[in-house]
Amino acid sequence: GQQVMQIPQYQHVQEGEDFTTYCNSSTTLSNIQWYKQRPGGHPVFLIQLVKSGEVKKQKRLTFQFGEAKKNSSLHITATQTTDVGTYFCAGSVTLYNFNKFYFGSGTKLNVKP
Amino acid sequence: DAGITQSPRYKITETGRQVTLMCHQTWSHSYMFWYRQDLGHGLRLIYYSAAADITDKGEVPDGYVVSRSKTENFPLTLESATRSQTSVYFCASSVDAGNTIYFGEGSWLTVV
Repeated sequence: GQQVMQIPQYQHVQEGEDFTTYCNSSTTLSNIQWYKQRPGGHPVFLIQLVKSGEVKKQKRLTFQFGEAKKNSSLHITATQTTDVGTYFCAGSVTLYNFNKFYFGSGTKLNVKP
Repeated sequence: DAGITQSPRYKITETGRQVTLMCHQTWSHSYMFWYRQDLGHGLRLIYYSAAADITDKGEVPDGYVVSRSKTENFPLTLESATRSQTSVYFCASSVDAGNTIYFGEGSWLTVV
């Protein structure tokens, strides 16, 4: 069945280091969304990418959508302790005019001060 | 801004009991979802609803029942709770399929 694979599962970095999480889909996606979940919290929407090859930035966060619309990445430059949390991608697949979202398993980021 | 609210936030129940988790949204979003989150499994879709009186199964529907008689409410019932249903349950809504998903704060359920 449809799956969105996300790696790595965990990442521990020193504050100031960069961080990247990757999502890969077995099929072409209509769009991809990224969410952040703080420890003990709920997932919160960060961004949506729709176009092939799209790149969007939010301060230190850079989001990319692959040319084939099958993969995506989230890169954080110079991590801070406030970046701690789990980052999820959610790929949307259109089937019979209905969009279904498939969440990746998430990457848990820990930042050491 | 009430948004999407879940109740109860925390619940301990015994094996075999029926439990209902409530979800209410104030945005009149068409789509509503129930996810469960377990360590190592990310978010798994239990059921979703495209509109009032329209529901469909997600990845892990066994042991759960949903209903949606009104657009704003989407309760999730565990008919006979099992220990494997110990989890954090998130209700979510979206204006339509493919748009931003807004999550409730979660319901922590422990089945003993």
